[in-house]
Amino acid sequence: GQQLNQSPQSMFIQEGEDVSMNCTSSSIFNTWLWYKQDPGEGPVLLIALYKAGELTSNGRLTAQFGITRKDSFLNISASIPSDVGIYFCAGQTPNANTGNQFYFGTGTSLTVIP
Amino acid sequence: SAVISQKPSRDICQRGTSLTIQCQVDSQVTMMFWYRQQPGQSLTLIATANQGSEATYESGFVIDKFPISRPNLTFSTLTVSNMSPEDSSIYLCSVGLAGAYEQYFGPGTRLTVT
Repeated sequence: GQQLNQSPQSMFIQEGEDVSMNCTSSSIFNTWLWYKQDPGEGPVLLIALYKAGELTSNGRLTAQFGITRKDSFLNISASIPSDVGIYFCAGQTPNANTGNQFYFGTGTSLTVIP
Repeated sequence: SAVISQKPSRDICQRGTSLTIQCQVDSQVTMMFWYRQQPGQSLTLIATANQGSEATYESGFVIDKFPISRPNLTFSTLTVSNMSPEDSSIYLCSVGLAGAYEQYFGPGTRLTVT
């Protein structure tokens, strides 16, 4: 199936720094989702975006639905050690057989150095 | 959101045997999904299990290898049949909510095949 390209693949930052990551696709999506996965856990939904151009915040996290509907961005401000994990984007599109189809990004691994 | 539990949380199995993974949700949902995640990799969709219809499998996954049951709106099982070491992975179930535009994941089942 289709896979979304995330960049960067990994990041090593100092505590307190801001973080930016993005997700791109060759196809348009109706919904963009951002997840965080801790080791040994399932992904946890952070932010959902429903409209092109939409900018949504969840605490120190801000995500944007690209106006072309082919990309999305996630920013984390003032990073803290518990931000460590792997961040995945996902795009949603209708599927005639199953109702909805979700495609996941390749992931961005974030390490925060205290 | 939804509270999703999976059993077992982890298992070590012998080659050639089968393991059935259970997924329980605390509310009724139409769409359930099963994913596989290799260590350090993104999520790969195995199949979509909508209640009242046969599961829809993605390319590369077949019903004989990964039979799925969806007896009601709160429960599903995935069986990994005739296991080989290549089946060692994390298996995740998820549900579609908010009009099925958002996905929420269970904690995963970590499978090791020896």
